Amino acid sequence: KNQVEQSPQSLIILEGKNCTLQCNYTVSPFSNLRWYKQDTGRGPVSLTIMTFSENTKSNGRYTATLDADTKQSSLHITASQLSDSASYICVVSAPTDSWGKLQFGAGTQVVVTP
Amino acid sequence: EAQVTQNPRYLITVTGKKLTVTCSQNMNHEYMSWYRQDPGLGLRQIYYSMNVEVTDKGDVPEGYKVSRKEKRNFPLILESPSPNQTSLYFCASSLQGHNEQYFGPGTRLTVT
Repeated sequence: KNQVEQSPQSLIILEGKNCTLQCNYTVSPFSNLRWYKQDTGRGPVSLTIMTFSENTKSNGRYTATLDADTKQSSLHITASQLSDSASYICVVSAPTDSWGKLQFGAGTQVVVTP
Repeated sequence: EAQVTQNPRYLITVTGKKLTVTCSQNMNHEYMSWYRQDPGLGLRQIYYSMNVEVTDKGDVPEGYKVSRKEKRNFPLILESPSPNQTSLYFCASSLQGHNEQYFGPGTRLTVT
């Protein structure tokens, strides 16, 4: 069973609008939680990285929140732009055998339309 | 320029013909990792390396080998490729395992 679940699977939003993506995880304990943006056919690019003690972190129009008690994270995109069309991936660092093993969500595909 | 490079970017091969995909980083990172990405399945970790001569299995290591003889390189070896290894492969590196990862551009492999 996947230990990192993302929702929705996909969403379409109008340019200029806001949206929120969800990530629920069961990994415990964990080192940190990361959000990546992946354009089609390209490698993921890091947006934010948060340890269990951090509640929120921003990177421009992207704001990630973390609730370690409920094991939930969200990524909020403000004033979306066409260039935000991409897949957004939630990743949890899972210290099973070591701190190097990562658990990936399946991603949320975001399409921003004019 | 700080980067992760992979070669080749595209490869079409036949079943059973051994191949190696190279990965190199110029950031003096200790941690390196290989992933495969398939439609609907997201990224899955194949192998990772916490440092030179230290490698560990990820979630889908079957059919793959890796080595980490020097810090900058982390090649992925398919001794006898099969069609179910057709995929998009990414290499990534980070300062240490819990740090932000930098991904390479990807290698699209087709095994016929």
